[in-house]
Amino acid sequence: SQKIEQNSEALNIQEGKTATLTCNYTNYSPAYLQWYRQDPGRGPVFLLLIRENEKEKRKERLKVTFDTTLKQSLFHITASQPADSATYLCALDNNAGNMLTFGGGTRLMVKP
Amino acid sequence: GAVVSQHPSWVICKSGTSVKIECRSLDFQATTMFWYRQFPKQSLMLMATSNEGSKATYEQGVEKDKFLINHASLTLSTLTVTSAHPEDSSFYICSVTKATGNTEAFFGQGTRLTVV
Repeated sequence: SQKIEQNSEALNIQEGKTATLTCNYTNYSPAYLQWYRQDPGRGPVFLLLIRENEKEKRKERLKVTFDTTLKQSLFHITASQPADSATYLCALDNNAGNMLTFGGGTRLMVKP
Repeated sequence: GAVVSQHPSWVICKSGTSVKIECRSLDFQATTMFWYRQFPKQSLMLMATSNEGSKATYEQGVEKDKFLINHASLTLSTLTVTSAHPEDSSFYICSVTKATGNTEAFFGQGTRLTVV
């Protein structure tokens, strides 16, 4: 069966450190993968999209890698700040238009 | 980006009543909108794809007669939870994409439904 797995346990890190979140998938062949941020009681907000033929993508303090052999994406936040505390979701297209399937999300807590 | 507005942001209703949730695309015309449901500490689960001018496409296990979707215009889709029960209590979120293909999704702020 198809699965998108993110670490369900919260990730606690110290301010200034790099946070690394993992997204693993099985039985998917996504053309692209996306990362979103979700704050409590709010809808997700788009952060980054990476295509299957891209290894790495950066945006300010954010970096995403995409390994289609390992079927894994890593999401990095460098120089983390308390304001980065949120739940981060990865999402894959299901090769059927614009429909996205989401992982369960990982909650990140950045302590001052 | 795109601006998507959902209303209401929260609602409490009695069991057996119906609740309508609106999703508006404020700055562009959306032929397709998506409705998700999210239970506490769980992922977003796609419920249905709302198509302007035609019937919605429901995901497996989602009752189309219970979750009525109407997409009468290019800027508005509505989700009506009919005969609500406490197990329908959840966070309902809509999203739109600007084009077909690998583009980002823009989400509404979500609607917290509590059925008592």
